[in-house]
Amino acid sequence: EAQVTQNPRYLITVTGKKLTVTCSQNMNHEYMSWYRQDPGLGLRQIYYSMNVEVTDKGDVPEGYKVSRKEKRNFPLILESPSPNQTSLYFCASSFQGTGRAFFGQGTRLTVV
Amino acid sequence: DAKTTQPPSMDCAEGRAANLPCNHSTISGNEYVYWYRQIHSQGPQYIIHGLKNNETNEMASLIITEDRKSSTLILPHATLRDTAVYYCIVRVPLIQGAQKLVFGQGTRLTINP
Repeated sequence: EAQVTQNPRYLITVTGKKLTVTCSQNMNHEYMSWYRQDPGLGLRQIYYSMNVEVTDKGDVPEGYKVSRKEKRNFPLILESPSPNQTSLYFCASSFQGTGRAFFGQGTRLTVV
Repeated sequence: DAKTTQPPSMDCAEGRAANLPCNHSTISGNEYVYWYRQIHSQGPQYIIHGLKNNETNEMASLIITEDRKSSTLILPHATLRDTAVYYCIVRVPLIQGAQKLVFGQGTRLTINP
């Protein structure tokens, strides 16, 4: 089954404690991206990757890092989480050039 | 990418057709219309897309006006599970760059029993 898998689904952490949210897709998609969703602000792109070892900033990259060492994986790293990063996070993947994206089920992160 | 306008909310009776409108009056010739939906706080789900012609798949139909300035997503026999926020997105197919999907506020569709 074609899917994008994120882990964990829920996470409560403390300010400053490094964390990683994993994202994996099984569709051989070149393009992967991370979004965050906040009430009233909709979905905003954090980072994206056009292929292995090719990443770039989206609209709200501050406080986040990503890596793309393998085509299927695109982890989101918060080196020093802060409360304003409390949000619902989605990973998405697609073939290059298409707007037909597959989204993961989301990770609800709370930073206290 | 062209801006889209959707009604903030709609209601529909279970079993009836749900028709969700979207205005995209500034759409350009090579921009596609995409529809996604988000059920509660799950990940957005692709529904359908089109350029000029009407499209149909197992989930829905997409009707695009001849001038392409508006479109309608049709769920032919709405069920309670179709209750969701529906997003209309217009975008150019890019090979390079951010390729982000710009989600507006969408239409909150409620299917009533």
